[in-house]
Amino acid sequence: NAGVMQNPRHLVRRRGQEARLRCSPMKGHSHVYWYRQLPEEGLKFMVYLQKENIIDESGMPKERFSAEFPKEGPSILRIQQVVRGDSAAYFCASSPSASGREGNEQFFGPGTRLTVL
Amino acid sequence: SQQGEEDPQALSIQEGENATMNCSYKTSINNLQWYRQNSGRGLVHLILIRSNEREKHSGRLRVTLDTSKKSSSLLITASRAADTASYFCATGTYSSASKIIFGSGTRLSIRP
Repeated sequence: NAGVMQNPRHLVRRRGQEARLRCSPMKGHSHVYWYRQLPEEGLKFMVYLQKENIIDESGMPKERFSAEFPKEGPSILRIQQVVRGDSAAYFCASSPSASGREGNEQFFGPGTRLTVL
Repeated sequence: SQQGEEDPQALSIQEGENATMNCSYKTSINNLQWYRQNSGRGLVHLILIRSNEREKHSGRLRVTLDTSKKSSSLLITASRAADTASYFCATGTYSSASKIIFGSGTRLSIRP
């Protein structure tokens, strides 16, 4: 059973370009979470999705950022018109059911390191 | 604001010694989890403790939870070089079925 897959592992974009980060959850997991991590800091929650639905996007910036988890295929975190401040590691995690209240373990991917030039 | 805050921010100990990291949080929780992150990698789940539990063990790990003080500790006994990593606590609350909130982490270095 493959773990959570993220690609690309490293992504370099120039200011103003678009970044697309992909996440394939573990088999059988329908809950996906996206986090952002700056160097030497903890993970900041961005968005929580179930298949075809955004459940909680309270951590997503209001502009330029969007996420989806289609019925088929990976979850996508999309950043439009990237700026230097978007440079960070973006981690995806999945779980078989909701994590917060039930305390279900989240399984993390290796992350995508975005560098904006 | 961050729900969980770990201290110390950084800890360096000799191999074989015990390492203790603490996590404090602000609001009532339903559960608390500890994760480890090796440099440049994703997080790995270590252990979960629920709000009605006071202590849990898993191998060389021992976690305590004091809900009256809103704090938890992670003890790693007989540390090894491979334990060098960052350790994060993450809290789940009754009000949110979905997300868990991570603290800023403790960077642990084990000296050979």
